[in-house]
Amino acid sequence: GQQLNQSPQSMFIQEGEDVSMNCTSSSIFNTWLWYKQDPGEGPVLLIALYKAGELTSNGRLTAQFGITRKDSFLNISASIPSDVGIYFCAGRYNTDKLIFGTGTRLQVFP
Amino acid sequence: DTGVSQNPRHKITKRGQNVTFRCDPISEHNRLYWYRQTLGQGPEFLTYFQNEAQLEKSRLLSDRFSAERPKGSFSTLEIQRTEQGDSAMYLCASSAGPGQGSYEQYFGPGTRLTVT
Repeated sequence: GQQLNQSPQSMFIQEGEDVSMNCTSSSIFNTWLWYKQDPGEGPVLLIALYKAGELTSNGRLTAQFGITRKDSFLNISASIPSDVGIYFCAGRYNTDKLIFGTGTRLQVFP
Repeated sequence: DTGVSQNPRHKITKRGQNVTFRCDPISEHNRLYWYRQTLGQGPEFLTYFQNEAQLEKSRLLSDRFSAERPKGSFSTLEIQRTEQGDSAMYLCASSAGPGQGSYEQYFGPGTRLTVT
């Protein structure tokens, strides 16, 4: 099935550093979502974006809906150990089904 | 706990056997979704229901797969004659419908299926 491209595939950072990741699609979406998944668990919704250019924050997380509607970005500031996990973007266009990205695995070292 | 629940959490079965998974959505949500996630990949959409009506099915849902939501509450996903390629995490999500506020999808913990 279709999957969106996420980069980087994995990141190894030190606690306190900022993190940036992005997600790109060959087609446009009218909703972008970011989820975090811990091992053996289901994805947890972090941020939802509904308009091109929109910038939305949730605590230390900030996400943006790209102007072209084909990409989205997630930033995490001042990372902490509990930020470890896999971050997935997901897009939706005129349907209820979500198309997920390939994931960015984040490791945070103390 | 008012989140999405799934049972069982883990299932090991032999190739050729049938398996059934259950999902209980968040109580006020009328939409329910099934996704499949293989190792190292993001979830892939299988099907979804609004109340008891199955509104969309992916081509990934072969004729060995069937999903039901008979009373518009819990849902079951059955896989007949399992194959090793069916080994995956099966995720259920639920959402509110239009006019019910935010209708984003909230996921359960998943059922991990291993076919030997």
